[in-house]
Amino acid sequence: DAKTTQPNSMESNEEEPVHLPCNHSTISGTDYIHWYRQLPSQGPEYVIHGLTSNVNNRMASLAIAEDRKSSTLILHRATLRDAAVYYCILRDVVDNDMRFGAGTRLTVKP
Amino acid sequence: NAGVTQTPKFQVLKTGQSMTLQCAQDMNHEYMSWYRQDPGMGLRLIHYSVGAGITDQGEVPNGYNVSRSTTEDFPLRLLSAAPSQTSVYFCASSVTSFQPQHFGDGTRLSIL
Repeated sequence: DAKTTQPNSMESNEEEPVHLPCNHSTISGTDYIHWYRQLPSQGPEYVIHGLTSNVNNRMASLAIAEDRKSSTLILHRATLRDAAVYYCILRDVVDNDMRFGAGTRLTVKP
Repeated sequence: NAGVTQTPKFQVLKTGQSMTLQCAQDMNHEYMSWYRQDPGMGLRLIHYSVGAGITDQGEVPNGYNVSRSTTEDFPLRLLSAAPSQTSVYFCASSVTSFQPQHFGDGTRLSIL
């Protein structure tokens, strides 16, 4: 699996947008960018994934750089419930395994 | 719809004991996997299965066995527990290996 680099931690204020960056300079053409998050004392949950174009769903938006060497997960209005560790993972469609890094711990302040 | 169910939620073992962690899913997912998460770290893949009768090793398979006799169940066996296996264990399932994975709530295992 190609490697991703994320900041160890970030802080945000409640009801403000949050931009979580991920660098993946060695991404291959067939790697999709997946994001999961893990709330305290819970298993990870899927957030979003994309290949080249920006993606939106009910939880978040994913902005992918034109050269695909970086991406940003956008939470449009952070809530206290969004405090979690966010993982950026590269996956090829033929991969049978998924490797987590250390992720970014997001703290949301009231 | 229960999703992914892991049992037990907590367990304490003595070194050398054996144990089976249970994982069941009711979504008819072909792909299932086991991860361990040590304090302050990300998840590491132990074993995975792409369908009944098919299993393969992940990143940290030593000391663990798996089998997949049915689509629904994917038990993880610790053959001879060691303190280094103290961790939180998560089971996950998905339609295929690439599709979004659904995780259970975890089993917190302590080995003395």
